[in-house]
Amino acid sequence: AQSVAQPEDQVNVAEGNPLTVKCTYSVSGNPYLFWYVQYPNRGLQFLLKYITGDNLVKGSYGFEAEFNKSQTSFHLKKPSALVSDSALYFCAVRRSYNTDKLIFGTGTRLQVFP
Amino acid sequence: GAVVSQHPSWVICKSGTSVKIECRSLDFQATTMFWYRQFPKQSLMLMATSNEGSKATYEQGVEKDKFLINHASLTLSTLTVTSAHPEDSSFYICSATREGASSYEQYFGPGTRLTVT
Repeated sequence: AQSVAQPEDQVNVAEGNPLTVKCTYSVSGNPYLFWYVQYPNRGLQFLLKYITGDNLVKGSYGFEAEFNKSQTSFHLKKPSALVSDSALYFCAVRRSYNTDKLIFGTGTRLQVFP
Repeated sequence: GAVVSQHPSWVICKSGTSVKIECRSLDFQATTMFWYRQFPKQSLMLMATSNEGSKATYEQGVEKDKFLINHASLTLSTLTVTSAHPEDSSFYICSATREGASSYEQYFGPGTRLTVT
């Protein structure tokens, strides 16, 4: 069965420092991977996706993610964190190749301190 | 583009009453709409998938008679929580995929917070 794991409930980082939010996946076949961000009492906003192609995917708001097949990881990164990046981040994988259904990780709360 | 709205953004109702939540794709036609439920500090749990003009497909463990889904058009899906109870209090989020697109993205609405007293 397809699944994603976000091993960290919370990540704390100082403003200006690089940030990483971790995600590992378990899929059969080629993975379709996504990152979404959720601000308080709001729906999810799409950040980026990996379907195929370059392992380094660039997305919205300066975020990027690196697909690593050997480590089955899709970590979200940003070179310089902003206080406004503080939010809840979800990694997701498409349930199978013939469906749009997504399976979400448990989420990681990112706290950027000034 | 690809904006999804939900109405209402929050609702408080009494136990035993029914509540309808609307999900609209404002600037695109949605092939499929999804309904999720999110408990505090938890992930999104898919409740059901709906396609225009056909019956919704419910995930295992979701009561179809309690959570009625109607997908009347390519831009509107509704979720009705029937005979609501306090345990139905949650944040309900819908999403949609764009007709004809191969981007594999789901576009999410802002969510509806339901509180049952």
